[in-house]
Amino acid sequence: QKEVEQNSGPLSVPEGAIASLNCTYSDRVSQSFFWYRQYSGKSPELIMSIYSNGDKEDGRFTAQLNKASQYVSLLIRDSQPSDSATYLCAVNNDKIIFGKGTRLHILP
Amino acid sequence: NAGVTQTPKFRILKIGQSMTLQCAQDMNHNYMYWYRQDPGMGLKLIYYSVGAGITDKGEVPNGYNVSRSTTEDFPLRLELAAPSQTSVYFCASSYSGTGGAGELFFGEGSRLTVL
Repeated sequence: QKEVEQNSGPLSVPEGAIASLNCTYSDRVSQSFFWYRQYSGKSPELIMSIYSNGDKEDGRFTAQLNKASQYVSLLIRDSQPSDSATYLCAVNNDKIIFGKGTRLHILP
Repeated sequence: NAGVTQTPKFRILKIGQSMTLQCAQDMNHNYMYWYRQDPGMGLKLIYYSVGAGITDKGEVPNGYNVSRSTTEDFPLRLELAAPSQTSVYFCASSYSGTGGAGELFFGEGSRLTVL
C-alpha cells in the first residue's frame, strides 16, 4: 500500500481562484506533515508544515489536517501564474516520505 | 552557510561502473536523506540517517549503499550502475525535534545518466 497518495493532475485553476490540493496517508502514527513546491528543474522548497488537527494559515496558503481521516490538504487563495508548479505532500513517520506530487497549472 | 552541497551536479556512467555521490551539510543537522526523482514523479526515499553511525533503508535501497561517519557528510554509493538508476538524486537534511524530523533542506540535485 502506497504510504502517501496524491492526485497527479494536472490541476488547472483560473488566475485569482482557489486551488485545492489533497493528500492521504496510510500510517496512523505519522506525526508531522509538509507541503513542498517544486518548479521544473529545481529542488523542492517548503511551503507549509502542520502538526496538529485543524487549519494553519500563512499568507495565501492554508494547510488543513484531519488525522482521524488521515487527510491533509493545501489551499492556495488568489492563485497566481507563479503558483504553477508541482506540489509535493510529505509525511513524517520517523522518516519523511513523499507523494507523487500534483501538477498545478494556473490559467492567466 | 552553504546549506546542503551535492557533487557532482551531472554525471554520465556506463553500465556496470560505480560512483559515489557526495553530500555535505553545515547546519549541524542530525537527519540526512537521499531521494531519487524520476521524470514526472515524486521523491522516493533511498536511505536515511538519524545521526553519525546510523543509517537505514528507505523505499528503494537496492543497488545503493550509504555511510555516515560524520554529522556533516552522507555519501551515496552506486555499485554496478544500471539504466534503471538514471534519475535526479537529491540529498536533504533536517533538524530533529519533537515528533522527529522537521523541515527538509535540499541540495541542488545530481543528475545521473547510465548508458
